[in-house]
Amino acid sequence: AQSVTQPDIHITVSEGASLELRCNYSYGATPYLFWYVQSPGQGLQLLLKYFSGDTLVQGIKGFEAEFKRSQSSFNLRKPSVHWSDAAEYFCAVAPYSSASKIIFGSGTRLSIRP
Amino acid sequence: EAQVTQNPRYLITVTGKKLTVTCSQNMNHEYMSWYRQDPGLGLRQIYYSMNVEVTDKGDVPEGYKVSRKEKRNFPLILESPSPNQTSLYFCASSFERDSGELFFGEGSRLTVL
Repeated sequence: AQSVTQPDIHITVSEGASLELRCNYSYGATPYLFWYVQSPGQGLQLLLKYFSGDTLVQGIKGFEAEFKRSQSSFNLRKPSVHWSDAAEYFCAVAPYSSASKIIFGSGTRLSIRP
Repeated sequence: EAQVTQNPRYLITVTGKKLTVTCSQNMNHEYMSWYRQDPGLGLRQIYYSMNVEVTDKGDVPEGYKVSRKEKRNFPLILESPSPNQTSLYFCASSFERDSGELFFGEGSRLTVL
C-alpha cells in the first residue's frame, strides 16, 4: 500500500534562512507527488506537483521540490523564508492521476523566528 | 470567485443530535471529497464522489453519510454524532482529469459533547 511520511512534526527557522521540509513515500512505481500548504484558519492550497519529467519542480510562492527516485523522497525547499510562510505543509501522493486516491502525510508545522 | 464553501464553519453539538455540514463549489468540478483532519494524523478521506449520484467510501467512512444530487453540492451528514467525530472537516473538489489539484474549503470545526 502506498504511504507518505513527513518525519518532522515541527520546524522553526529564522526569517531569511533557507528551508527544507522532508517527505518520503512508499510505492512500487513512480507516484504522483504533491505539496500543499495550510495557512492558519484556512483550507489547503496546492504549492506544486510532480507527475513526470524534470525532477526539480517549481511552485508558487517561491517554493520548489526535488523528486529523488533512489531515495523515495520529494523534499520541499525555499531559499529564503518570509514570516508569511508560517503554516502547515502537507506532502501527498497518488498512485496515478486520480484525485480520489490522494493520500496525505501527517504534516509539518513551520514556525518563523523573527 | 472560484471557491468551495462550507457551512457551518464552527459547530458545537451533543451526542446523537443529527447534523449536516454543507459543501458547495462553483467551479463545475466533477469530483468532490470530504476529509477530516486530526492532530498528528494529517487528512483522512471520509467519502468521495466522482460525479452526480456516484459516491464511494474513503478511509474513515464509519458514522458518516453523503449524497450528491447536484454537481455543485456534496453535504456531509452525521446521523448520530459521537465525541470521536470531534474534528476539523474539509470539503474539496477537483476536475478529475486535473490529476490531484484539489481545491479546499476553509474547514468546519465540529465539537461533539
